[in-house]
Amino acid sequence: EAQVTQNPRYLITVTGKKLTVTCSQNMNHEYMSWYRQDPGLGLRQIYYSMNVEVTDKGDVPEGYKVSRKEKRNFPLILESPSPNQTSLYFCASSPGQVGSYGYTFGSGTRLTVV
Amino acid sequence: AQTVTQSQPEMSVQEAETVTLSCTYDTSESDYYLFWYKQPPSRQMILVIRQEAYKQQNATENRFSVNFQKAAKSFSLKISDSQLGDAAMYFCAYRSWGVAAGNKLTFGGGTRVLVKP
Repeated sequence: EAQVTQNPRYLITVTGKKLTVTCSQNMNHEYMSWYRQDPGLGLRQIYYSMNVEVTDKGDVPEGYKVSRKEKRNFPLILESPSPNQTSLYFCASSPGQVGSYGYTFGSGTRLTVV
Repeated sequence: AQTVTQSQPEMSVQEAETVTLSCTYDTSESDYYLFWYKQPPSRQMILVIRQEAYKQQNATENRFSVNFQKAAKSFSLKISDSQLGDAAMYFCAYRSWGVAAGNKLTFGGGTRVLVKP
């Protein structure tokens, strides 16, 4: 089954404790991206990657890191989480070429930072 | 930068009736894509319908259809014969045409649809 797999689904952590949210896709997509969802703001892009070793900032990158060492994986790293990073996070992927492709989204990670 | 606005935080519809969700966007580009996504309580993001800006014909997918007004920069979603399973948050999204844009989706704030039995 074609899918984007995110883990964990829920995570509660304390301020300052480094964490990683994993994302993996099995569709050989070039493009992967991380979004955060907050009430009234919709989804906002954090980081994206056009291919292996190619990453760039989205609209809200502060406090986050990413890496793309393999085509299928795109982990999101919070080096020192803060309460304002409490949110619902989505990983998404799509084919790299231009087209009217929608995205395939992961099932989301609900992160709470206390 | 592009912006997407959904002016209705919440809409309520009777089962079997029709509801229309509004979406407006701001862009200086002439070619782009527009999408509606559904997010049920499971949190999964589900693509409902897509529209290419160069196509004048409005997209339809079963009970879902759009009214795309390019000059007005409006992209509304109509849900006909509403069903209980249509209850969800709906997001309008914009995507630029070019690869240089990074394939980014710009989302509106969402509209919650409630379906009354």
